[in-house]
This record gives sequence, C-alpha cells and structure tokens, in this order.
Amino acid sequence: DQQVKQNSPSLSVQEGRISILNCDYTNSMFDYFLWYKKYPAEGPTFLISISSIKDKNEDGRFTVFLNKSAKHLSLHIVPSQPGDSAVYFCAASVAGNTPLVFGKGTRLSVIA
Amino acid sequence: DAGVTQSPTHLIKTRGQQVTLRCSPKSGHDTVSWYQQALGQGPQFIFQYYEEEERQRGNFPDRFSGHQFPNYSSELNVNALLLGDSALYLCASRARGLTYEQYFGPGTRLTVT
Repeated sequence: DQQVKQNSPSLSVQEGRISILNCDYTNSMFDYFLWYKKYPAEGPTFLISISSIKDKNEDGRFTVFLNKSAKHLSLHIVPSQPGDSAVYFCAASVAGNTPLVFGKGTRLSVIA
Repeated sequence: DAGVTQSPTHLIKTRGQQVTLRCSPKSGHDTVSWYQQALGQGPQFIFQYYEEEERQRGNFPDRFSGHQFPNYSSELNVNALLLGDSALYLCASRARGLTYEQYFGPGTRLTVT
C-alpha cells in the first residue's frame, strides 16, 4: 500500500513557464512534507519543506502548497529553467522524526 | 562544509556474498538513516541510527544490519546477497532536535550477479 503517491511519472514544460508537480498521501498522521530533486548518479537534494500548520511555503522560485483536507501537496517552480530538469520526489513523515516515506518520483523535463 | 559522503561509489558482488557500505554524515549531524532505492522507485527506509544504536527499522530482513561509530559515521552490512538486493543505497543524515530535513549522500550502486 503506497502511502505517498506521485501519479505523474513525467512532466514536460517550456523554459520560463510554471512547473507544477503533484503529490497525494493517504496517511492522515503525516504532518511534515519535503520535496527532493535528484539528478542521475547523485543523491536526492533537499529543496523545500512544509509543516502541516502551514498551507504554503516559498523559497525563491520554489513554492510548496499543502491542502490537508484533500491530502494533497504540490510544488510550483516559476520560472522553470533547463537546469531544473531532474526527478522530483515528494516525501512525508510523522512529527518530522519518523522515517521519510517517498513517492516514486516525477521526471521533469524543461525544454529550452 | 563537507556534505554526506559514501563509499564505495559502485560495487559488484556475487549472490551469497556479504557487503559493507560506509557513510560519513554532514558536519554537525548526529543521526544517520539508510535507504534503498530500486530502479524506478522512491527510496525505501532501511533503518536509522542515533547514539550508536538502531532506533527505527523499516521492513527489511535481518540480513540487513548496521552500525554507528562514536564519530557518527555509519556502516550498512548486507549478508547472503540476493539478486533483488541490487539497488542504489543512500545514506541520509540530520541534526536531531534541530531540523527535520534529511540530507542525502550520492549513494552506493550495488549490483549483485
């Protein structure tokens, strides 16, 4: 049973436009969420996180939105750049102290 | 500031053999977790070490064991290797009590033939 789901295996976006990556979760105990970016032959790189007490968190071009009632979060990248092309993983934990539970990832391709 | 480091980068082993993977956490971090990432999947939690003890464990058999040293570095040992153990093994560290974010190393690619 997959507790964190990223239903889009891939996404293609033009440079300069907005990229929206989606993530759904089933465990209502999750209260801390993170997004990681992964290039080939590298480990995941932490991007941005959000606690369940918030519904939005911004860091430069990256914004994460959390809809607790829908058990849904999304990562917005504006504007998208070719260097953003990577696999993006959504992860969740309980109280920030339990192991991270990851989705399967979404491959983002930003086309110049 | 050195990030999380792992060794070796790549490893090829034969079924039934044993393997040891190593991890040095990011400076200032005291908690180390190990994850297995199979092809096309997200990382799956194996176990976490803090204060030299295994604190949490995922759904992995006893063939997977680990250790944490006083300098916070860690080892992952896998015995009686199976073909299905072929994966990218990731080490992640964090500063317990200060941050929830985990920082990952580059991983060790293990191939079992």
